Amino acid sequence: TAGITQAPTSQILAAGRSMTLRCTQDMRHNAMYWYRQDLGLGLRLIHYSNTAGTTGKGEVPDGYSVSRANTDDFPLTLASAVPSQTSVYFCASRDSGTIAYTFGSGTRLTVV
Amino acid sequence: AQSVSQHNHHVILSEAASLELGCNYSYGGTVNLFWYVQYPGQHLQLLLKYFSGDPLVKGIKGFEAEFIKSKFSFNLRKPSVQWSDTAEYFCAVNGPMNAGGTSYGKLTFGQGTILTVHP
Repeated sequence: TAGITQAPTSQILAAGRSMTLRCTQDMRHNAMYWYRQDLGLGLRLIHYSNTAGTTGKGEVPDGYSVSRANTDDFPLTLASAVPSQTSVYFCASRDSGTIAYTFGSGTRLTVV
Repeated sequence: AQSVSQHNHHVILSEAASLELGCNYSYGGTVNLFWYVQYPGQHLQLLLKYFSGDPLVKGIKGFEAEFIKSKFSFNLRKPSVQWSDTAEYFCAVNGPMNAGGTSYGKLTFGQGTILTVHP
């Protein structure tokens, strides 16, 4: 089934450790996004990429980095995790022709 | 910067009651508007969207929303809710587009409204 695959589904991470959340899409969408979801705050944009080779900062980029080496993959890296990064992370992609967004199933990250 | 406000954090209804969830956004220019639903343990699914044309938009599962430009609002409605509608609902806005077009495509979400429907 076409869509977005996120991995892992959930993770418990010790503070100070690094981690990469993976996101892969098979729809050849140009634009991809990382959001974090926190109760009472909705989804907030962390980083985005309008096309392979380019990235941009969203609303809450601090402590996160991304890369976009190709169209399909958009990994999100936490260099040194802190407890405030405990959240559910959603990857999304957008078909530039129709403004149709597709969301992944999310990664639940707990930083202890 | 665009901001989106949802009026209620948690709404509790009985089955067959009518539903209206409020959503207001801050920018009055050209925007695209969305309502997403997230069922427990699942990812976001699109309920409906507004791009242009008829301001009354019909979506899946009997939901509809009305775009009122003068009020910067895009409220979600359903005449008769069901237990299966229990979920969290998010309003989202795409826009505005700045001169460089760099804001295009980025969704700004509201805080979410948790809907609990009792049988």
